[in-house]
Amino acid sequence: QQQVKQSPQSLIVQKGGISIINCAYENTAFDYFPWYQQFPGKGPALLIAIRPDVSEKKEGRFTISFNKSAKQFSLHIMDSQPGDSATYFCAASVNYGQNFVFGPGTRLSVLP
Amino acid sequence: EPEVTQTPSHQVTQMGQEVILRCVPISNHLYFYWYRQILGQKVEFLVSFYNNEISEKSEIFDDQFSVERPDGSNFTLKIRSTKLEDSAMYFCASSVSAGRGRNEQFFGPGTRLTVL
Repeated sequence: QQQVKQSPQSLIVQKGGISIINCAYENTAFDYFPWYQQFPGKGPALLIAIRPDVSEKKEGRFTISFNKSAKQFSLHIMDSQPGDSATYFCAASVNYGQNFVFGPGTRLSVLP
Repeated sequence: EPEVTQTPSHQVTQMGQEVILRCVPISNHLYFYWYRQILGQKVEFLVSFYNNEISEKSEIFDDQFSVERPDGSNFTLKIRSTKLEDSAMYFCASSVSAGRGRNEQFFGPGTRLTVL
């Protein structure tokens, strides 16, 4: 029940396209859902996060959609750029952060 | 921009040896964390630390692991007797607070531990 599932495992998108990564969870006690971006050789960096009291959050080209009843949330990257090529992890936590449960990651490649 | 730093970047050790991984969290942060990432796998939470004591730990964080804040700036992870399966990237993170508010965790670049 502590798992966060993530799909797809890898994603190839053309420059300018939309990248969509999906996550699902079981534990209804989760109340904080961040997305992290990780470049090779670097630590994860917070990209955007959402709390379950909103259904969507947008920051620039990045949007989180949250479906509380389905226990699913997704990351949309609009106008994807080659510089977005990285591994993306969704995560979830109880009590708004501390012990993050991470998804297995999605390796995104944006072709020029 | 302040950042979390970790040393060394790569540590190679023999099975059964003790290792200490070091981290310098961001200076005004009060919460500190260790995570590990086995090659090609997901990031896994190990432990969180606040006010000089462990606030939460995972099943992975067994008796061979310990954490310490030996002075006002460093935060360390000690593995007493390393096993082959401890080979992983270890990330330190810190946050201003936990709970509602400024709970964003900032991650360091990681220490790659290789146990031979």
